[in-house]
Amino acid sequence: ETGVTQTPRHLVMGMTNKKSLKCEQHLGHNAMYWYKQSAKKPLELMFVYSLEERVENNSVPSRFSPECPNSSHLFLHLHTLQPEDSALYLCASSQETRAGSEQFFGPGTRLTVL
Amino acid sequence: SQQGEEDPQALSIQEGENATMNCSYKTSINNLQWYRQNSGRGLVHLILIRSNEREKHSGRLRVTLDTSKKSSSLLITASRAADTASYFCATGNRDDKIIFGKGTRLHILP
Repeated sequence: ETGVTQTPRHLVMGMTNKKSLKCEQHLGHNAMYWYKQSAKKPLELMFVYSLEERVENNSVPSRFSPECPNSSHLFLHLHTLQPEDSALYLCASSQETRAGSEQFFGPGTRLTVL
Repeated sequence: SQQGEEDPQALSIQEGENATMNCSYKTSINNLQWYRQNSGRGLVHLILIRSNEREKHSGRLRVTLDTSKKSSSLLITASRAADTASYFCATGNRDDKIIFGKGTRLHILP
């Protein structure tokens, strides 16, 4: 596979469930990102990892827990979510974390919280 | 905090016409990128323009940057049905943060 892949593509979960989103990049990049995209709102940066170390956490609620076991994989663990957490969750990677570095996005996971 | 804001929010044009989208921002930037997103998919990088550049071209795309007005425009010439998508600007700020706008939804009519 090439580029950035995300699984699952669609996820429906109840508020008491625990689930995880997975992202994998095959580009040899050093930085990985989680974004949340809700209708009619700007893309929200959630977490940034550089060489497996979290370098940014934009005041994201603790019910979202990221994990970066190596530079190619990124997870987002979800627990006790709220209906307003329903959104498209996008993973991206870039060569470095500098703002001018081109980001490559995965297709996203469409999350619905019931 | 929101930085780039695209205008218009939505645009419909006939195939073959040119489409122009604008992005305005508030604080000084190092660079500005434009991305495209097809419905329900990830974003695809189109072009980056640095703060010391005024214009860049890539195929049918032309991007301008006016730092005095804190604005950028994306022009797509000779539009095609495949150009139907949302277009986002993303500013790279002096504190090295990247911030995306809400996007412009472009619809190319056959």
